[in-house]
Amino acid sequence: GAGVSQSPRYKVAKRGQDVALRCDPISGHVSLFWYQQALGQGPEFLTYFQNEAQLDKSGLPSDRFFAERPEGSVSTLKIQRTQQEDSAVYLCASSLDRQGETQYFGPGTRLLVL
Amino acid sequence: GNSVTQMEGPVTLSEEAFLTINCTYTATGYPSLFWYVQYPGEGLQLLLKATKADDKGSNKGFEATYRKETTSFHLEKGSVQVSDSAVYFCALSGATNKLIFGTGTLLAVQP
Repeated sequence: GAGVSQSPRYKVAKRGQDVALRCDPISGHVSLFWYQQALGQGPEFLTYFQNEAQLDKSGLPSDRFFAERPEGSVSTLKIQRTQQEDSAVYLCASSLDRQGETQYFGPGTRLLVL
Repeated sequence: GNSVTQMEGPVTLSEEAFLTINCTYTATGYPSLFWYVQYPGEGLQLLLKATKADDKGSNKGFEATYRKETTSFHLEKGSVQVSDSAVYFCALSGATNKLIFGTGTLLAVQP
C-alpha cells in the first residue's frame, strides 16, 4: 500500500516568509509525528498527534511553529516568519496507536531559508 | 531525560568485514529500541527493533540484542556489502511513543 507522503519535497523561502508543509500518513494510522533533522544530525521530535488531538508539542522550537491535523488524517506543519536556523529536513511519520509500534517515515521536506 | 548515544562515524570497512555499531541508551521505564537506516537519497527506513529485554531484532543479516543490564543495543552484521553503505540511527521509544534518535553513524563499505 501507499506509504507516508510529504509535499513539497523541496522548499526555498526568503527569511520572514511563512511556509506550510503537508503530510499524508498511511491510511488508518492513528498516530502522526513531526521531526526536524538538521544536516548531519539525527531527527529531533517536534510534535505528536493521536487522531486530531495534539497530545505533545514539547519539541516545537518556538511559537512560530504550528501544527494541525483537523480531521485526524492529513497534517500540516506551518512555520511563520522563517529564519535561517529553520533550514532543515522536516520528517513526518505515522504509526498504529500501540506501544512500541513501528513508525513509518515519509521522504521529508527539505527547507532552505535564505 | 531519555537519550541515545551511538558511536561516531564514519566507519569504513572492506566488503565482507564484520560490522559493529555501538549504541547505548538512558531511559526511565522500559523503552522499545530501534535501528533505522537512511540510504543515500532516500528516507528513513526501519531496519530492526526489539521491544523488551533480551529480545533480538534481525533483518537483512543485521542483528541487535536488547541488553538491559548494559543499556545497550549494538548493531552487528557478519559480512557487510557495498550496498550496506548508509547512515544508521539508533533510537528509543518511551511512554509517549516519540522516537529519540542518536546522531547517526555513517557506514562506508569499500569493494
